[in-house]
Amino acid sequence: GENVEQHPSTLSVQEGDSAVIKCTYSDSASNYFPWYKQELGKRPQLIIDIRSNVGEKKDQRIAVTLNKTAKHFSLHITETQPEDSAVYFCAASNLEDSGGGADGLTFGKGTHLIIQP
Amino acid sequence: EAQVTQNPRYLITVTGKKLTVTCSQNMNHEYMSWYRQDPGLGLRQIYYSMNVEVTDKGDVPEGYKVSRKEKRNFPLILESPSPNQTSLYFCASSFWAGGPGQFFGPGTRLTVL
Repeated sequence: GENVEQHPSTLSVQEGDSAVIKCTYSDSASNYFPWYKQELGKRPQLIIDIRSNVGEKKDQRIAVTLNKTAKHFSLHITETQPEDSAVYFCAASNLEDSGGGADGLTFGKGTHLIIQP
Repeated sequence: EAQVTQNPRYLITVTGKKLTVTCSQNMNHEYMSWYRQDPGLGLRQIYYSMNVEVTDKGDVPEGYKVSRKEKRNFPLILESPSPNQTSLYFCASSFWAGGPGQFFGPGTRLTVL
C-alpha cells in the first residue's frame, strides 16, 4: 500500500517569513495530493490539492508543488500570519480515470506549524 | 449546508461498556470512513465504506465495528471499549474513496477509563 512521509514534524517561523512542508510518497500510481489544515480543537479542512497532471498550483499565499519523478510534493506558505498556526497534513491517493478511487487517502503524520510574532 | 455530523462530541466511559458514535452526511457521498487521531501518529483509518452494505477494514480495525445500512449514516461501534481506544475520532465522507474533497466531521473525543 501507499506510505506517506511528512517533514518536519514541527516548524517554527517568524511572522511574515515563508514556510515549506515536504512529503514523499511510495506508490507511483498515486495521482491526487491534498493538503489539510487542522486548527487546535477543530476538524481537518482541505486547503489545497493537486493532481499528477499539474506541477504546481497556487491559491493566494499557499502553493503546492509536485515532483512525480522524485515522488515528493510540498506545501509553500508565503507571508505567514498568526492564523496560519495549525497542524498541516499531506495525503495521497489514486483516483482512477473514471473518477473512482480504488484506495482511500493515506495521510502523513502531520506538521505543527508555529508562527512566531 | 453541506456537512458531516458526529455524535456525541465528547464521551467518557468505562472499560467494557458498549458504545456507538454516530456519523451522518447530507452530501449524498458514496464513500465514508472513520479515522482515529493520536499524538505523533497522525490520522489512521479504522474502517471505510464504498457504498451501502459495503464496508472494509482500514489500518487499525481491531476492537471496532461499523455498519452502512443507509447511504448517509456510518456509525462506529465499540463493543467492549478498552483504555487504548482513548482517542479523537473523525468521520469523513467524499464522493469517491480517494477524494477529491474529503469532508471531515467535527470529531468525537473519547476517553475510556
